[in-house]
Amino acid sequence: DTGVSQDPRHKITKRGQNVTFRCDPISEHNRLYWYRQTLGQGPEFLTYFQNEAQLEKSRLLSDRFSAERPKGSFSTLEIQRTEQGDSAMYLCASRAGQGDYEQYFGPGTRLTVT
Amino acid sequence: DAKTTQPTSMDCAEGRAANLPCNHSTISGNEYVYWYRQIHSQGPQYIIHGLKNNETNEMASLIITEDRKSSTLILPHATLRDTAVYYCIVSVGYRDDKIIFGKGTRLHILP
Repeated sequence: DTGVSQDPRHKITKRGQNVTFRCDPISEHNRLYWYRQTLGQGPEFLTYFQNEAQLEKSRLLSDRFSAERPKGSFSTLEIQRTEQGDSAMYLCASRAGQGDYEQYFGPGTRLTVT
Repeated sequence: DAKTTQPTSMDCAEGRAANLPCNHSTISGNEYVYWYRQIHSQGPQYIIHGLKNNETNEMASLIITEDRKSSTLILPHATLRDTAVYYCIVSVGYRDDKIIFGKGTRLHILP
């Protein structure tokens, strides 16, 4: 058990609907990451936070995607106007901070857009 | 793009050592070699990392060639629970704030 939790674990939605996922990192980890993984591929980086500041966003993160970490603890990832191509596993990871080499991943949220 | 090359899949008999190779010929002097694995339907799990010297922990050993252009992850006594996709990654480590995953090696442990 890595200690990173994600909710929900599974989400089925219709195209055009908005969805929001939550990630709770390991307590006191100041860095939080979002990745997306499609079938047969390795995870792809989306964005990361140091405390509440969003420091980097991948070009994969279109305008329909927004992530927040308002108090530097849990984070949310929202996808607006979902498309079938958004179907994937969304993974969250956390890291203690500078000097710590390991990212701890959560179990992921599997999104299916019908 | 990932900076590493790994075989797509490998088989290993249960109880034997599993040796997973990785090529990283363009690795820079300040880049570490990391290994993660992902068991089906779970998030990736850190295994081990190293810079120049060989490393060992309770899960595995990492052997890095002297020129650092390739490495091997060794699972000394593979069990069925080691069936997973194994990712070899190069990164500057704590200063690098994202992991660039490739497709990894799908390791099948055979009973």
